[in-house]
Amino acid sequence: NAGVTQTPKFRILKIGQSMTLQCTQDMNHNYMYWYRQDPGMGLKLIYYSVGAGITDKGEVPNGYNVSRSTTEDFPLRLELAAPSQTSVYFCASSYGDRGLGNTIYFGEGSWLTVV
Amino acid sequence: DQQVKQNSPSLSVQEGRISILNCDYTNSMFDYFLWYKKYPAEGPTFLISISSIKDKNEDGRFTVFLNKSAKHLSLHIVPSQPGDSAVYFCAASATDKLIFGTGTRLQVFP
Repeated sequence: NAGVTQTPKFRILKIGQSMTLQCTQDMNHNYMYWYRQDPGMGLKLIYYSVGAGITDKGEVPNGYNVSRSTTEDFPLRLELAAPSQTSVYFCASSYGDRGLGNTIYFGEGSWLTVV
Repeated sequence: DQQVKQNSPSLSVQEGRISILNCDYTNSMFDYFLWYKKYPAEGPTFLISISSIKDKNEDGRFTVFLNKSAKHLSLHIVPSQPGDSAVYFCAASATDKLIFGTGTRLQVFP
């Protein structure tokens, strides 16, 4: 029972490089999310998706792109890496049913450093 | 605009005593509140939640209290154990998105 799986766990990027953080979940959740956590800060929502083919911006979407071609996968793309994107990234998923309280299940995180 | 605030960045409690973590929110539309626990190098894990129609929810050693008029919720851990040492995030939702606070680092010492 893998839950939410993120790769890579660690990555160092140079300014201007691009990369994709992969995320997959095996719980058949409709909703998926990408959060970032900066030191001493809470979790900020980057993008989210309520189902395959549907994505929407969160609180801090600038510099990122997402796609949701399947229920299971929700990759996060950084096109031109900047030092401000140095952070820990968490992918998460939920049923999205308000009756279930919208409990979100998180992956273990991806540590990204931009130099 | 921080809609969910945890004003205490850290808390230190002796083992066996009560830990009280506080959270304030500004958006009166929030109708569901959750607490997450996070260990270093791991993702947050769900701990306990409460709907706005309730003022208390209990699960073992963990109890969450909600005061809607004050827009305040708190997490009580009794008795505190060393394994409870972690960062605790409160979160609130009015739609399908969760808004998180900045977290409180709890340290339980022997």
